[in-house]
Amino acid sequence: KQEVTQIPAALSVPEGENLVLNCSFTDSAIYNLQWFRQDPGKGLTSLLLIQSSQREQTSGRLNASLDKSSGRSTLYIAASQPGDSATYLCAVMGTGANNLFFGTGTRLTVIP
Amino acid sequence: DGGITQSPKYLFRKEGQNVTLSCEQNLNHDAMYWYRQDPGQGLRLIYYSQIVNDFQKGDIAEGYSVSREKKESFPLTVTSAQKNPTAFYLCASSPSQGQGTQYFGPGTRLTVL
Repeated sequence: KQEVTQIPAALSVPEGENLVLNCSFTDSAIYNLQWFRQDPGKGLTSLLLIQSSQREQTSGRLNASLDKSSGRSTLYIAASQPGDSATYLCAVMGTGANNLFFGTGTRLTVIP
Repeated sequence: DGGITQSPKYLFRKEGQNVTLSCEQNLNHDAMYWYRQDPGQGLRLIYYSQIVNDFQKGDIAEGYSVSREKKESFPLTVTSAQKNPTAFYLCASSPSQGQGTQYFGPGTRLTVL
């Protein structure tokens, strides 16, 4: 069964810093990988979706990369802002295109 | 506005009671999902539905039941057979299963007293 791990579990950075969040998965046979944002007590908001044939996706200050062979993805956030403070979740979908397997998330705090 | 709504936001239940969580979407999506989120754990899939009148068990279906009588609605019933029901429940939908991203509702926090 697919297992998704996110490191670190929590991260605090001063405003303006660039940062990287890590996601690893055990089964490289994936259909796609997604990064979500979750604010406390709220639902999830999709940030980026990378298909298995892609290497990266960008949206504004966010860039997500995918290395299927090594079972890794990173989410790069440039010039962090206090509004970026949230939990970031990584999720992978297997080649059966059935369901998402979620990591436990990284809780990010950006200090003004 | 298009989106997914869940109600209620907070729900309290006495032990031994069944409760039903509502999930409605007006995105015209075929697929809908129910997840459970516990502190320190990733989201876990309870049930999913690819189309009206069809649904499949996820990883942790025991103690839960669902129905999909209408495309826009996918209610989840937490039965008394669920031994540890206190959790945050999230509903999601996607255009079809496996296609595109999943859109999530705001969640329902269930507490068993």
